[in-house]
Amino acid sequence: DAGVIQSPRHEVTEMGQEVTLRCKPISGHNSLFWYRQTMMRGLELLIYFNNNVPIDDSGMPEDRFSAKMPNASFSTLKIQPSEPRDSAVYFCASTRQSSYEQYFGPGTRLTVT
Amino acid sequence: DAKTTQPTSMDCAEGRAANLPCNHSTISGNEYVYWYRQIHSQGPQYIIHGLKNNETNEMASLIITEDRKSSTLILPHATLRDTAVYYCIVRAQGAQKLVFGQGTRLTINP
Repeated sequence: DAGVIQSPRHEVTEMGQEVTLRCKPISGHNSLFWYRQTMMRGLELLIYFNNNVPIDDSGMPEDRFSAKMPNASFSTLKIQPSEPRDSAVYFCASTRQSSYEQYFGPGTRLTVT
Repeated sequence: DAKTTQPTSMDCAEGRAANLPCNHSTISGNEYVYWYRQIHSQGPQYIIHGLKNNETNEMASLIITEDRKSSTLILPHATLRDTAVYYCIVRAQGAQKLVFGQGTRLTINP
């Protein structure tokens, strides 16, 4: 079975550019989570969706970040404009809403210069 | 969710049991203890969870003290592939969010 798919795996961009990270959850999962991991702050939840609806976006750092889930098989996390402090590994995870286990993707390593 | 405290790092010899402690003294009655691990450059992976009874699966065993204020994750026969950061997380029943702390960096030595 395919796990959670994230693209791109690596992204290098210049400050001020728009960045879009993509996630395809596991088929049949109806909850999707975006996390960010840095050395300083560790692994932190940014936002999560149930049935394509954003439930909690309290972890989104500021208005430069936005996330969408237009359908059950696709989600995006957009940063506009990007800043060097956004450099991190961004993970997407999915689960069935009633399940105890979250399945994480391989992550996207973002570097903003 | 209750806060957890874990040692920053631990070492274990290959083939021996690795015992990873976690303190969660403020845990509530409806909160479960979860363990995830993160192997270098990968996403976190679920290991096991429990409420008050000891649990075992193909990956590990979870021992929760009777007062539920602490727990121990046991990897019975550690291999080099078990080298990872192990996260102990407390989460209420029905809650979806996982709050990760700093975890324990476990190194398995040959």
